Amino acid sequence: GAGVSQSPSNKVTEKGKDVELRCDPISGHTALYWYRQSLGQGLEFLIYFQGNSAPDKSGLPSDRFSAERTGGSVSTLTIQRTQQEDSAVYLCASSVLRGETQYFGPGTRLLVL
Amino acid sequence: DQQVKQNSPSLSVQEGRISILNCDYTNSMFDYFLWYKKYPAEGPTFLISISSIKDKNEDGRFTVFLNKSAKHLSLHIVPSQPGDSAVYFCAAPDSGGGADGLTFGKGTHLIIQP
Repeated sequence: GAGVSQSPSNKVTEKGKDVELRCDPISGHTALYWYRQSLGQGLEFLIYFQGNSAPDKSGLPSDRFSAERTGGSVSTLTIQRTQQEDSAVYLCASSVLRGETQYFGPGTRLLVL
Repeated sequence: DQQVKQNSPSLSVQEGRISILNCDYTNSMFDYFLWYKKYPAEGPTFLISISSIKDKNEDGRFTVFLNKSAKHLSLHIVPSQPGDSAVYFCAAPDSGGGADGLTFGKGTHLIIQP
């Protein structure tokens, strides 16, 4: 079956522009997570969705970051007014239920010039 | 303040030998731990996990050991194979019950030499 997919795979943008990153979780998975991995760092948790709601936004680094999930499936992570420090790999994961094993997508590599 | 620490950025092991990857944690509320493996340009893939009620979990060539008193876990791979060359991340659920995101270590890059 299909795994978690993310698009675009790579994104280069100019400082100050907005970007949208998309995640398609595994069909039937109710929980969806966003992480980012900056150069030389481990994965940093950003936000978690259970169904359409986002009960845990604690990891979002600033108010320039937002995410939504519509229809309990596809999720979009939006970064407004991008900064160079936003450059990272943004990874999405999904799990059947809250607390179960998370399966990751290939990530979106964002470079802010 | 890192709650999950992998102090070895890289490890080189000869093919056929045992690879031992270490992980330390500071949060005593963690009760479940996972190891993920990551190849370049791919997302992490789940490898093996262990609950705090156990001190060992084995799956084929992979064994994870947990020492709760030392807040230490290790992943053993034996025998090591060239395809095992990857970055290995240790992780634990943030709330200790797997409810939200995972807290990851910075990873150890394992290099298997022929």
